[in-house]
Amino acid sequence: DTGVSQNPRHKITKRGQNVTFRCDPISEHNRLYWYRQTLGQGPEFLTYFQNEAQLEKSRLLSDRFSAERPKGSFSTLEIQRTEQGDSAMYLCASSLPTLTPYYGYTFGSGTRLTVV
Amino acid sequence: AQKITQTQPGMFVQEKEAVTLDCTYDTSDQSYGLFWYKQPSSGEMIFLIYQGSYDEQNATEGRYSLNFQKARKSANLVISASQLGDSAMYFCAMREGDGSYGKLTFGQGTILTVHP
Repeated sequence: DTGVSQNPRHKITKRGQNVTFRCDPISEHNRLYWYRQTLGQGPEFLTYFQNEAQLEKSRLLSDRFSAERPKGSFSTLEIQRTEQGDSAMYLCASSLPTLTPYYGYTFGSGTRLTVV
Repeated sequence: AQKITQTQPGMFVQEKEAVTLDCTYDTSDQSYGLFWYKQPSSGEMIFLIYQGSYDEQNATEGRYSLNFQKARKSANLVISASQLGDSAMYFCAMREGDGSYGKLTFGQGTILTVHP
């Protein structure tokens, strides 16, 4: 395993188009998180999966956003009818279950979305 | 209410000197975890150091140490012997609870610039 992989690294899209991002976590990590980071700010939590179950969604995740994690492996984040305010870095992270000595999260390099 | 506060938007340090990056937090949980991450311009979030709320000793990882003052709810990062490669954005983050649920809340970040 080489870490958390996110594709694409960059995406430029026209306002109103749909986009989909993919995250491949570390294989033994059953937890997966999506964050959004706007320029000059810290990442903000969007949603969280344990295996294939989506256990929490932030209020930031409007109806235009949907995330899936079929079979508890990779995850996709789709944004429908993109708006300029969606321009941000979308970060994916994965982690082991709780009660491990190391409560570490491994982040991917992110997908930078620009809506024009 | 802001749960993680980083009051220093930017910090400058001379190469080989030590620097302290401030972080205060707010939580009503007795069990929580505090993290520091480094984010270079390339965008990936690099884990630096972790402090559990019940850990009595301050965490250390190489040149990084965490000055944990529980009563003051502060978790400052100390970088000793700064290097040019330390120039980056630094984020303090908190996970509330016992680790059974892993959402991280991030601060606004501090940009560190190391001068030769």
